[in-house]
Amino acid sequence: SAVISQKPSRDICQRGTSLTIQCQVDSQVTMMFWYRQQPGQSLTLIATANQGSEATYESGFVIDKFPISRPNLTFSTLTVSNMSPEDSSIYLCSVVDYWQGEQFFGPGTRLTVL
Amino acid sequence: GENVEQHPSTLSVQEGDSAVIKCTYSDSASNYFPWYKQELGKRPQLIIDIRSNVGEKKDQRIAVTLNKTAKHFSLHITETQPEDSAVYFCAVSKRNTDKLIFGTGTRLQVFP
Repeated sequence: SAVISQKPSRDICQRGTSLTIQCQVDSQVTMMFWYRQQPGQSLTLIATANQGSEATYESGFVIDKFPISRPNLTFSTLTVSNMSPEDSSIYLCSVVDYWQGEQFFGPGTRLTVL
Repeated sequence: GENVEQHPSTLSVQEGDSAVIKCTYSDSASNYFPWYKQELGKRPQLIIDIRSNVGEKKDQRIAVTLNKTAKHFSLHITETQPEDSAVYFCAVSKRNTDKLIFGTGTRLQVFP
């Protein structure tokens, strides 16, 4: 399966600031997603990161708050903008391995907003 | 949109016993049903999955069954071991989207 890395692994930020999270894959993938996992909760899909076009956001998530870039088939970024304590979560990227038809997750970025 | 319910939310079993976790979904177009295991502080790990053209799939001590008519699928773990202790999530997706909708999770504790 693809090897997925994320940076940073964790961060503590002040409210009102922004943080950009990077997701790097060791092979080209078509589908890449961003999920949020709030403390003690399940995973919620934020958006599909589309290569060469704007991301597709799920209900409740907007581009102004979570801008996403996907410049190529191995890399994506998620920015959490104008952060508030409610944004404290783990943010995970995932990719689909089309040879196996399975979805794998990056190690996650643990964000704490004070 | 799709709604996935997962039960129970917590499950405690004695080592060697079996554990069963059940999920129900609402969208009949869903056709892919993976199960993930998440240990504390770790990423979710895919442990088994099933597609809509199959009724059951087994991998050593883990099995998944699917009832498309009733729109539910279950994870079965036999001969549980303490290292099976984790949070388990079911998920569903539809053909051509790959977007996963997750259940609420089940915290499994296996006592020695």
